[in-house]
Amino acid sequence: KNEVEQSPQNLTAQEGEFITINCSYSVGISALHWLQQHPGGGIVSLFMLSSGKKKHGRLIATINIQEKHSSLHITASHPRDSAVYICAAHSNYQLIWGAGTKLIIKP
Amino acid sequence: DGGITQSPKYLFRKEGQNVTLSCEQNLNHDAMYWYRQDPGQGLRLIYYSQIVNDFQKGDIAEGYSVSREKKESFPLTVTSAQKNPTAFYLCASSMGKNTEAFFGQGTRLTVV
Repeated sequence: KNEVEQSPQNLTAQEGEFITINCSYSVGISALHWLQQHPGGGIVSLFMLSSGKKKHGRLIATINIQEKHSSLHITASHPRDSAVYICAAHSNYQLIWGAGTKLIIKP
Repeated sequence: DGGITQSPKYLFRKEGQNVTLSCEQNLNHDAMYWYRQDPGQGLRLIYYSQIVNDFQKGDIAEGYSVSREKKESFPLTVTSAQKNPTAFYLCASSMGKNTEAFFGQGTRLTVV
């Protein structure tokens, strides 16, 4: 079993829909990253959070340390949100990566 | 602008040749990392360095070598000993333990 699990693996939705991507982890962590990877491969850090909730534009990330679970939400989704979304758990000096969720938003 | 730069973006090499991937950062970060990504899989840690002149093996270090002679630079050499080198390689840096990481744009290496 992977230490960081993401679901769903693939997600296709219509423009405007509310999107939720989930991340569960089994290791002790001090923080969790949400990142976005576009088809070209480059990765952008969206959030790093260790408790509660963070919001940036249409993106919201939440984490529940007791339940070892984090979610990334996208409100009013748009085709330009299409990308792979990856969660990664900070454990000491290492980032433990989920396998990613491939999101496609159709116009 | 501060950032982390990987070059080249695409690299082709013949089997049996060593190849070095460049990673440079001007963020004054102490820690730097190299990851490998294969299709449909999560990123896996190859090597990391917490400080100049020091580096540690990650989960898949075999067939790779690194150096950290300068704080700004952490080049990765893919040696001929790496059995399956074709992959996407990503470099990252951070201030240190449990701080936000910043990522390069990656290098896609194809060995023919």
